[in-house]
Amino acid sequence: GQQVMQIPQYQHVQEGEDFTTYCNSSTTLSNIQWYKQRPGGHPVFLIQLVKSGEVKKQKRLTFQFGEAKKNSSLHITATQTTDVGTYFCAGWETSYDKVIFGPGTSLSVIP
Amino acid sequence: DTGVSQDPRHKITKRGQNVTFRCDPISEHNRLYWYRQTLGQGPEFLTYFQNEAQLEKSRLLSDRFSAERPKGSFSTLEIQRTEQGDSAMYLCASQRLATNNEQFFGPGTRLTVL
Repeated sequence: GQQVMQIPQYQHVQEGEDFTTYCNSSTTLSNIQWYKQRPGGHPVFLIQLVKSGEVKKQKRLTFQFGEAKKNSSLHITATQTTDVGTYFCAGWETSYDKVIFGPGTSLSVIP
Repeated sequence: DTGVSQDPRHKITKRGQNVTFRCDPISEHNRLYWYRQTLGQGPEFLTYFQNEAQLEKSRLLSDRFSAERPKGSFSTLEIQRTEQGDSAMYLCASQRLATNNEQFFGPGTRLTVL
């Protein structure tokens, strides 16, 4: 079955440092979504990527979808304490009409 | 507040009891998803509905779990004969099929089975 993996599991950074989390799927995805979950909260949608090689930016966040549509990354420039939380990728596979979430990368930002 | 509500927010039950959770999605959303999330893990897909039809159910879901969405609006998730391993956060998400397929999550129901 489809598997979605993320690395690293945890990341501790000093405020102002950059952060990247990587997402890999065992199968080709029709699209991928990214969500952020604050401690004690619920997942909140950040973005969806659909096209092979797509790159999207939201202020300090840059999202990429791989050429083979099997991997993705989220890069945060100059982290802030408000970036703290767990970042999940969620992959939709064409043959399965449902989304599979990765295990998430937990980001801690040290002021 | 995403507009998706879940009730109750917390449920403590004894092993072997039945529990039922409710989810009220955003009114114009035709898709409704149920997930289970344990500490340190991502949401695990359980099942989803498009309007009142249940289209997919995880193979990981035992026969003790059942979900309904009788009128295509609110949904209920029932767990029969609860086990300690059922302890988790149960999340509901609603979605209106569109260009970005954003899922709006509710606050979740935290289940503790003693």
